[in-house]
Amino acid sequence: KQEVTQIPAALSVPEGENLVLNCSFTDSAIYNLQWFRQDPGKGLTSLLLIQSSQREQTSGRLNASLDKSSGRSTLYIAASQPGDSATYLCAVKENSGYSTLTFGKGTMLLVSP
Amino acid sequence: KAGVTQTPRYLIKTRGQQVTLSCSPISGHRSVSWYQQTPGQGLQFLFEYFSETQRNKGNFPGRFSGRQFSNSRSEMNVSTLELGDSALYLCASSFWQGAAYEQYFGPGTRLTVT
Repeated sequence: KQEVTQIPAALSVPEGENLVLNCSFTDSAIYNLQWFRQDPGKGLTSLLLIQSSQREQTSGRLNASLDKSSGRSTLYIAASQPGDSATYLCAVKENSGYSTLTFGKGTMLLVSP
Repeated sequence: KAGVTQTPRYLIKTRGQQVTLSCSPISGHRSVSWYQQTPGQGLQFLFEYFSETQRNKGNFPGRFSGRQFSNSRSEMNVSTLELGDSALYLCASSFWQGAAYEQYFGPGTRLTVT
């Protein structure tokens, strides 16, 4: 059974700092990995999707990497801003015809001005 | 393109009652998945429907059920509500085209059971 772990569970940084969020998964037979952002009480916003054949994806100040063989992904946020404060969730989709995602419990990020 | 919509956005129910939540996927998306999110357990998969058939199910009791209509809209039902069913229920619709895959989430329905 796939398990996804995110470290740290919470992170507090001053504005402007670069930071890394970590995600690990137990079964490397994944189809893709997605990073989501969730604001309190809201739904999920997809940030980056990395196919299993890819090593990284970038969008603006965000960069996500994937090392499938070691079961790890990182989300790098450059020059953090207070508006980045949210919970960041990592999810993997396995190699099946199903759309099921297995989620980590998230990293709650607080960026202080 | 309109996003995934969920109704209602908020619900308060009493223990023992039943509830029905609705999800309208993005136009053209035929797969709809449901997830439960609680502070303790995080996001957990409930079930997935594709072309009106349930094709995958998570580890939840039979009180949780769902269905999908011919227009891909989906409903989930929870019978005999328990306090522990209080959660944010998220719906996601997905679309395959060749190897490309997209999945999008709705804003969720916040269910409070008292």
